[in-house]
Amino acid sequence: DAGITQSPRHKVTETGTPVTLRCHQTENHRYMYWYRQDPGHGLRLIHYSYGVKDTDKGEVSDGYSVSRSKTEDFLLTLESATSSQTSVYFCAISESEYSNQPQHFGDGTRLSIL
Amino acid sequence: GDSVTQMEGPVTLSEEAFLTINCTYTATGYPSLFWYVQYPGEGLQLLLKATKADDKGSNKGFEATYRKETTSFHLEKGSVQVSDSAVYFCALSDSDAGNMLTFGGGTRLMVKP
Repeated sequence: DAGITQSPRHKVTETGTPVTLRCHQTENHRYMYWYRQDPGHGLRLIHYSYGVKDTDKGEVSDGYSVSRSKTEDFLLTLESATSSQTSVYFCAISESEYSNQPQHFGDGTRLSIL
Repeated sequence: GDSVTQMEGPVTLSEEAFLTINCTYTATGYPSLFWYVQYPGEGLQLLLKATKADDKGSNKGFEATYRKETTSFHLEKGSVQVSDSAVYFCALSDSDAGNMLTFGGGTRLMVKP
């Protein structure tokens, strides 16, 4: 299995508070991704990174920011959490940008915003 | 834009039954196609992939063939087991979009003994 660790695995917080989720990889892969999983929607891309300090927006980026200061870590921040951001968040990594290369996923973070 | 449509579940089967989960797609470039499986409480695992037309991906008894003429990538298994109970996701990665994955909504499979 790909070495991907997400933390925390579960979190409950209140509306308006800041939240940071961490993804740590031991594979030295260049590409990292954050997705959210909601019923009926599959997974939707929030942000991705193609190198240290290189990030870009995905399909559902509003309300989220990311940072990547080291190859192994990719942080997702909700500056002021809202109930609509209650979801399961997955980090993924990929060795290259080629479309035939699969992504490998972490075990997810279940985030509940009350 | 790109999109993936898969049959809604849940799909409930008896052990040893034949499984088909339909998946169709639209893409602007030349996509690679994937099936991922998610067991309860876990992340997604790659089940199989196909990167060009007429390719057949296979793994653990599951198969799917990349059909460009019908823009489909249906997942099949000849004899399901209780341990196959999971959520299955069809996804594509378009050559025009780097390695961005577009997912279908997922299909829950429940296999009864």
